[in-house]
Amino acid sequence: SQTIHQWPATLVQPVGSPLSLECTVEGTSNPNLYWYRQAAGRGLQLLFYSVGIGQISSEVPQNLSASRPQDRQFILSSKKLLLSDSGFYLCAWSKGPRQTQYFGPGTRLLVL
Amino acid sequence: KQEVTQIPAALSVPEGENLVLNCSFTDSAIYNLQWFRQDPGKGLTSLLLIQSSQREQTSGRLNASLDKSSGRSTLYIAASQPGDSATYLCAGGGSQGNLIFGKGTKLSVKP
Repeated sequence: SQTIHQWPATLVQPVGSPLSLECTVEGTSNPNLYWYRQAAGRGLQLLFYSVGIGQISSEVPQNLSASRPQDRQFILSSKKLLLSDSGFYLCAWSKGPRQTQYFGPGTRLLVL
Repeated sequence: KQEVTQIPAALSVPEGENLVLNCSFTDSAIYNLQWFRQDPGKGLTSLLLIQSSQREQTSGRLNASLDKSSGRSTLYIAASQPGDSATYLCAGGGSQGNLIFGKGTKLSVKP
């Protein structure tokens, strides 16, 4: 069966520090991968999606970037965190663009 | 630009009651409509996916319908249980799998 992992589970970082969140999927190949953010009082917002290694699409301009160095690995990064980057970050995968998306457990990020 | 709205924002019902959660979307050019549940502090659990060519999907006590022409979807929960308490999210799917989410309906089922 397929599983999706995210780490760390919780992270507290000072403003201006770098960020790296990792997501890996097991039990499938060539998945579509997605990064979402859930900020307080707001709905889930798609940040990036990827249909293959090295292929990244950004949905909204922001202080974050994403990379997909391996087929089942998706990384969310920032060079300098802002207070507004605080939120709950969720990674998801699907077999194809119009298939069910399966979400990871999430990373809660607090920027102070 | 697609916008997804869920009404009501919160709902409290006694155990055993049947209930309906509503979801509306502004752009009928969606490829699918997905329903999820989210428990506090957790990730999302997929409940049902309805492709744009379908009218409804069923899984156990859950039934979801889709009416693209009116821009509406409903999630029907039969014989609600306290374990159904969670936030329910609907999302409209674009061509690349980019989901646009509503803000959710927080459901509380009282024993």
